[in-house]
Amino acid sequence: DSGVTQTPKHLITATGQRVTLRCSPRSGDLSVYWYQQSLDQGLQFLIQYYNGEERAKGNILERFSAQQFPDLHSELNLSSLELGDSALYFCASSVTGGPGGETQYFGPGTRLLVL
Amino acid sequence: GDSVTQMEGPVTLSEEAFLTINCTYTATGYPSLFWYVQYPGEGLQLLLKATKADDKGSNKGFEATYRKETTSFHLEKGSVQVSDSAVYFCALRALGGSQGNLIFGKGTKLSVKP
Repeated sequence: DSGVTQTPKHLITATGQRVTLRCSPRSGDLSVYWYQQSLDQGLQFLIQYYNGEERAKGNILERFSAQQFPDLHSELNLSSLELGDSALYFCASSVTGGPGGETQYFGPGTRLLVL
Repeated sequence: GDSVTQMEGPVTLSEEAFLTINCTYTATGYPSLFWYVQYPGEGLQLLLKATKADDKGSNKGFEATYRKETTSFHLEKGSVQVSDSAVYFCALRALGGSQGNLIFGKGTKLSVKP
């Protein structure tokens, strides 16, 4: 158990809908990352937050947004869903979120299926 | 930009065989390097890491050495077990800048047969 929790574990929805994925980081970690894992794209970085502020953006679509709340949990909002958004979404956390050798701890993921 | 290339899988081995999974990287400067493992139905777990050239990361019988001259971080294990069956990801994190995201290779699926 990494200490990072994600809910829900599975999500099935229809095209055009909007969903919210939730992540609670490890106790003491200030930075949260979101990654998308799909068969064709592999593991891709979406966005990073540090202590409530956006720090870095990766290949995140404009239909997707995220935020980190004062209690440090984070939510990833996916809207106008398309079939291609079906994927495993991981949240990870680390203490400072900086470069270098700091370990990122991953949650179990949320599997999203868009029908 | 920065990138990681790892050998395509799947890799199928018999129990107690020697394992090598190749990983090379392209990055500015000297990034930190990681191997993560994903067991079926689970999230990613850090297996080992190295933060500077010639560092050797090791854990659970797995080893990888940070080779600056060949920009490589190959994963090795002397004797694999059925329980090592999983997907292995090589990843890097840049040394400088403010962002701390990982850049992953495509993953190598390992199946170990009894």
